[in-house]
Amino acid sequence: KQEVTQIPAALSVPEGENLVLNCSFTDSAIYNLQWFRQDPGKGLTSLLLIQSSQREQTSGRLNASLDKSSGRSTLYIAASQPGDSATYLCAVSLEDYKLSFGAGTTVTVRA
Amino acid sequence: DAGVIQSPRHEVTEMGQEVTLRCKPISGHDYLFWYRQTMMRGLELLIYFNNNVPIDDSGMPEDRFSAKMPNASFSTLKIQPSEPRDSAVYFCASTDSYLAEKLFFGSGTQLSVL
Repeated sequence: KQEVTQIPAALSVPEGENLVLNCSFTDSAIYNLQWFRQDPGKGLTSLLLIQSSQREQTSGRLNASLDKSSGRSTLYIAASQPGDSATYLCAVSLEDYKLSFGAGTTVTVRA
Repeated sequence: DAGVIQSPRHEVTEMGQEVTLRCKPISGHDYLFWYRQTMMRGLELLIYFNNNVPIDDSGMPEDRFSAKMPNASFSTLKIQPSEPRDSAVYFCASTDSYLAEKLFFGSGTQLSVL
């Protein structure tokens, strides 16, 4: 069974600092990895999708890397803003529709 | 498109009562998922529909849970009878991708069973 771990569980940084969020998974035979954002009382919003053949994906201030062999992905958020405060979850797919989600990292960006 | 729409946003009920959660997926999305989120277990897939047909219900915890999708624009998740341990946030999500790429989630239903 695929286990997905996100460390740390919570993170607090001052505005402007770069954020580094980690995700690790036990089975490297993944099809893709996704990063989601969840705001309090809301559903998840898809941020980035990395196919297994890719090493990274970028969208604006967000950059996600993938190292399948080591079972790791990192989400970088440059120049953090208070609006980036949310919970960030990663999810991996083993070539079907079943996503295995991590528990998430709750980020607080202090103004 | 208004996105995935779920109702109600909050539901408080007493143990033993029937609960029905509703979902309207994004038009054109052939795949619909019901998830449950708790602090202890995180996000769990309950059931998955393709073209209104239930494909995988192995995540449904007990026979007390049932889900239907009578047409492409409406799905329900029913719990009968409800129990306190069913308290969670229930999400509906839809996509046009079999591999659940680019899932669009609803805002969820916060269920409290007293």
